[in-house]
Amino acid sequence: DAGVTQSPTHLIKTRGQQVTLRCSPKSGHDTVSWYQQALGQGPQFIFQYYEEEERQRGNFPDRFSGHQFPNYSSELNVNALLLGDSALYLCASSSGQGQETQYFGPGTRLLVL
Amino acid sequence: RKEVEQDPGPFNVPEGATVAFNCTYSNSASQSFFWYRQDCRKEPKLLMSVYSSGNEDGRFTAQLNRASQYISLLIRDSKLSDSATYLCVVNSLSGYNKLIFGAGTRLAVHP
Repeated sequence: DAGVTQSPTHLIKTRGQQVTLRCSPKSGHDTVSWYQQALGQGPQFIFQYYEEEERQRGNFPDRFSGHQFPNYSSELNVNALLLGDSALYLCASSSGQGQETQYFGPGTRLLVL
Repeated sequence: RKEVEQDPGPFNVPEGATVAFNCTYSNSASQSFFWYRQDCRKEPKLLMSVYSSGNEDGRFTAQLNRASQYISLLIRDSKLSDSATYLCVVNSLSGYNKLIFGAGTRLAVHP
């Protein structure tokens, strides 16, 4: 039973560029949440997708957008990258609409130069 | 004020020691509480959920005090492999399973 997978594992971009990160949820899960973890901080909620729609959003600008596909996989897009976007981006999957346990993928480490 | 606050540490303890971490949260109506463990450069992994009645899993004991909005984690008989960052986590009220993390407490267990 595959867990949550993310790609790529590492990425280097320059300011102003755009990036797309990918996530495949754990088998049987239909909800995907994205988190940003800056160095020395806890993860911060970006947004959550369920039934291919953004269900709720944290305090992140519109430069951060996402998508969920019919197979429940998800993408996170960040436009006009800033140095401050350098972080570990974590995807978490869960099942349903309740307060089910979230399982995290290994993350994508993004460095913006 | 941060929604979830933790002492960042580090806590440096010898093997076999007992160590306790504390956490406070700001929203009194929060419903679910957790401790996650995160190894260096890895993803967070659920260590245990925290219940009002307190719960224990082997060497780990978690407690919740709703009146004080305070969560604790006790680790007994520390092992070298317990070295990690421990994240206090609260589930938001929105009903949509949004996790709010503290910044984490770093634990280093030495021989």
